[in-house]
Amino acid sequence: DIQMTQSPSSLSASVGDRVTITCRASQGIRNDLGWYQQKPGKAPKRLIYAASSLQSGVPARFSGSGSGTEFTLTISSLQPEDFATYYCLQHNFYPITFGQGTRLEIK
Amino acid sequence: QVQLVQSGAEVKKPGASVKVSCKASGYTFTGYDVSWVRQATGQGPEWMGWMNPNSRNTGYAQKFQGRVTLTRDTSISTAYMELTSLRSDDTAVYYCARGQSMDVWGQGTRVTVSS
Repeated sequence: DIQMTQSPSSLSASVGDRVTITCRASQGIRNDLGWYQQKPGKAPKRLIYAASSLQSGVPARFSGSGSGTEFTLTISSLQPEDFATYYCLQHNFYPITFGQGTRLEIK
Repeated sequence: QVQLVQSGAEVKKPGASVKVSCKASGYTFTGYDVSWVRQATGQGPEWMGWMNPNSRNTGYAQKFQGRVTLTRDTSISTAYMELTSLRSDDTAVYYCARGQSMDVWGQGTRVTVSS
């Protein structure tokens, strides 16, 4: 199975901060990676697909980069509504696997 | 707009089965795979499997092989996930999602397994 190692597992930041979350795949997955935001009691919402493409309707402060085994999600200027849990997902190999999640909290 | 609407919460006893539905609208149901994911409280999402509504081809996570069955009814654009031999650790929220890259998700169905 492809292991998706996500870091950090939690992060405290302030409104206006720039934050970066990383996912490392245990082997190359090309760009078959998505980033999701999940708020309590809600389904995950896709922010980024194909590693770096912004999902329609998602604010431009979210961006993704990487290919192969190293991927990053960057939020350029945190807004109050961005405090949530973030997951990466790889769909290049079966079984499809998720990162362990990054809980983004208000400092 | 593209939407996946799932059936309501279920409470089951250990050993029973549960069948969750996922009704698609706003797109051609047979044009996209349907993925199923579950999430226990406080845990990350866990992929269970996928189904192609057109070919009926399926793929399952090894962990669920033999206990999960994915089906569909194209006449009503609905996918189904049935999980058998339920245990307490199957208590989770179950989601359907469009495609294997999961661009749109259903609202989730809480399944509680308790004696």
